[in-house]
Amino acid sequence: QKEVEQNSGPLSVPEGAIASLNCTYSDRGSQSFFWYRQYSGKSPELIMFIYSNGDKEDGRFTAQLNKASQYVSLLIRDSQPSDSATYLCAVSDSNYQLIWGAGTKLIIKP
Amino acid sequence: DAGVTQSPTHLIKTRGQQVTLRCSPKSGHDTVSWYQQALGQGPQFIFQYYEEEERQRGNFPDRFSGHQFPNYSSELNVNALLLGDSALYLCASSQGHPGFGEQYFGPGTRLTVT
Repeated sequence: QKEVEQNSGPLSVPEGAIASLNCTYSDRGSQSFFWYRQYSGKSPELIMFIYSNGDKEDGRFTAQLNKASQYVSLLIRDSQPSDSATYLCAVSDSNYQLIWGAGTKLIIKP
Repeated sequence: DAGVTQSPTHLIKTRGQQVTLRCSPKSGHDTVSWYQQALGQGPQFIFQYYEEEERQRGNFPDRFSGHQFPNYSSELNVNALLLGDSALYLCASSQGHPGFGEQYFGPGTRLTVT
């Protein structure tokens, strides 16, 4: 059973600090990795995607991928209260199936 | 540029009934995927349509079926509704096949089965 695991949280971070969200996956053949943000009662919104090992930066967001260790992380710099949401990790596996984690709830405290 | 649209927004049905949900993809996208999301869970993949054919399917029973039209819009049909089918149903569109790269989600349809 291919799995994507995330700590459910909640993860509480002070405003202005760095929030670090982690995700591990079981299928070594996984191809693509996505981070989505979901506000309560809303649909997921794509934040970042990463295909290669290393870091990818977009504004305040950095995605980090380590295929050898089978983890992907999302860093949010200068966290704002508007960043409070559930962050979903999704992994496209070797069969091109998209496997989702259950999400980490992030709370940014003013 | 219109994003992904879904209808209806909310729906209440009775056990045993049938329901049809609709989705129009983002302009320029030709692949539509459907997901079921229960409260507090990540989305569960139902199936994906590309070129009017079901290309991939998740672990859902045959009660869940779909269709894609020539204009790339799509329908999700659920027969013989069960209480456990109550969930948020999400449609996502993307470009190409397999279309799991850079998906954009619609606002969802909240289905309640009583």
